[in-house]
Amino acid sequence: LAKTTQPISMDSYEGQEVNITCSHNNIATNDYITWYQQFPSQGPRFIIQGYKTKVTNEVASLFIPADRKSSTLSLPRVSLSDTAVYYCLVGEQTGANNLFFGTGTRLTVIP
Amino acid sequence: EPEVTQTPSHQVTQMGQEVILRCVPISNHLYFYWYRQILGQKVEFLVSFYNNEISEKSEIFDDQFSVERPDGSNFTLKIRSTKLEDSAMYFCASSDALYNEQFFGPGTRLTVL
Repeated sequence: LAKTTQPISMDSYEGQEVNITCSHNNIATNDYITWYQQFPSQGPRFIIQGYKTKVTNEVASLFIPADRKSSTLSLPRVSLSDTAVYYCLVGEQTGANNLFFGTGTRLTVIP
Repeated sequence: EPEVTQTPSHQVTQMGQEVILRCVPISNHLYFYWYRQILGQKVEFLVSFYNNEISEKSEIFDDQFSVERPDGSNFTLKIRSTKLEDSAMYFCASSDALYNEQFFGPGTRLTVL
């Protein structure tokens, strides 16, 4: 079971780029890195998934270095509505590790 | 965009009563899940369900809990005899890939008095 470590909380001003790093030192060869976002009083929402290098979609980018022992979720120009908890999960694409959420990083965007 | 729906949005019950929480997963999804989140705590996996069977369950999912897909659209979580500590948000999720890219519903807030 690849353990993940994320900062408990982060603050950012509106309009800034936010980078949230997740450490997963014992990631396995077949493991993918998946990020979910959870707004207050809502269920988590899948944001992005990657295996190596860089993945980008309309919401975020995911940077994964060559050793894959960490990954960084990058949110461009955050707004107040990006205030949420962000979870990093590591596991095989069809692995049960994807069922277990950690404590996540609580991002607060300040006006 | 298709979405997972859950009813009711809020359920209040007395300790010891049975409750059934209902979910309608996204129609072409084959994998279904229940999670709970106690206020201020992390999202906890309860159970996954595929092909009319439980495929994975956590330690939380004891004999008090059961799941069912009674028809082609609904997915239910039953708590047989509720306890105070069952008070939480219960989220249903579904996916078209095993354990991957899950779509979550808005949740049912269960309050046990």
